[in-house]
Amino acid sequence: EVQLVESGGGLVTPGRSLRLSCIGSGFTFGDYAMSWFRQAPGKGLEWISFIRSKAHTGTTEYAASVKGRFTISRDDSKSIAYLQMNSLKAEDTAVYFCSRALRTAVAGVKYYFDYWGQGTRVTVSS
Amino acid sequence: ETVMTQSPATLSVSPGERATLSCRASQSVTNNLAWYQHKAGQAPRLLIYGASTRATGIPARFSGSGSGTEFTLSISSLQSEDFAVYYCQQYNDWPPWTFGQGTKLEIK
Repeated sequence: EVQLVESGGGLVTPGRSLRLSCIGSGFTFGDYAMSWFRQAPGKGLEWISFIRSKAHTGTTEYAASVKGRFTISRDDSKSIAYLQMNSLKAEDTAVYFCSRALRTAVAGVKYYFDYWGQGTRVTVSS
Repeated sequence: ETVMTQSPATLSVSPGERATLSCRASQSVTNNLAWYQHKAGQAPRLLIYGASTRATGIPARFSGSGSGTEFTLSISSLQSEDFAVYYCQQYNDWPPWTFGQGTKLEIK
């Protein structure tokens, strides 16, 4: 059974840092791209970060709202994806979800997201 | 960036009835459209990908249709566990992957 479990959330003051972890099980972690999403209070889902599998370069993508402040990485030996969040702002307050990405290449490379974790809550407040 | 718009924001339907949710893209996403179900405190659940293909384990009462810019998620004979928020997401033009604002399906 595929499982994704996020951890590392909590209460942090503005300007500080936090690192989230997402551990995967039930699949060969290194074979898949991974992504992070978030849901701010009362809002919908927002994509924030993506990392390809090493077989497909291992490169990363970021939403404009977090680019330059957040860094996604992966340790395939531990089946973990990380999200390092620096210079946190009040508007980063949200539940953060990780997700496994499925790659399709029928008409160009596309990724959609088939399994998600339950999320970890991050609150940025003084 | 492709903007996704869902309607209605809230849909009230009685158990056993049919629900029809709509999603519109600001530009063509061909059939690179997914639908997710999300309940508070739970992981989002992939229902449909490729606009019309049910994901693993998704009951046949869920069906997706459409292509280009107009899409529909239909749920026939609503069960109690189907009341949730539903999101469409395009994965044609990325990054970013973009979602609609969601449709809350509530019990009438």
